[in-house]
Amino acid sequence: DSGVTQTPKHLITATGQRVTLRCSPRSGDLSVYWYQQSLDQGLQFLIQYYNGEERAKGNILERFSAQQFPDLHSELNLSSLELGDSALYFCASSIRPSNSPLHFGNGTRLTVT
Amino acid sequence: DQQVKQNSPSLSVQEGRISILNCDYTNSMFDYFLWYKKYPAEGPTFLISISSIKDKNEDGRFTVFLNKSAKHLSLHIVPSQPGDSAVYFCAAELGSQGNLIFGKGTKLSVKP
Repeated sequence: DSGVTQTPKHLITATGQRVTLRCSPRSGDLSVYWYQQSLDQGLQFLIQYYNGEERAKGNILERFSAQQFPDLHSELNLSSLELGDSALYFCASSIRPSNSPLHFGNGTRLTVT
Repeated sequence: DQQVKQNSPSLSVQEGRISILNCDYTNSMFDYFLWYKKYPAEGPTFLISISSIKDKNEDGRFTVFLNKSAKHLSLHIVPSQPGDSAVYFCAAELGSQGNLIFGKGTKLSVKP
């Protein structure tokens, strides 16, 4: 058990809808990351937060947004969903903002129909 | 363009023998490298890491080697056990940016 909790585990929704994925980092970790894993794709970095502030952005679509709250949990909001957004979304946390292993949750599987 | 490449999609090894997983990278500014193991329906689990100032790091049965001139990273597992059967990802961090760039993974099968 990595100590990173993601909810829900599975999500099925229709195109055009909006969903929110939730992540609680390991106790003591200040940095939270979101990754997307699609079929035939590796883990693609979306966004990183450190102690409530956005620190780095990857190839995150404008339809996607995230935030980290004062209690350090994070939410990833996906809107105007398309079929191609179907993927596994992983949250990870680390104790430092860099040069530190990331510890991953078990992911949220999103299916857009 | 892939900056971190794992050219072998799969590897099969006999129990008790050595498993060698390889990874190549293109960006010489990567300064921190990691290996992760992933079982189905679980998130990646951190195994071992190495800083670019070192060329070897050991942790029990796992050893990571870094060859900066060749831009090559390898993970050695000795002895291999059936429980090691999983997908292994290598990852690299660019200049203390924090986010990791992952390879596409190598599926290791350890046969009893």
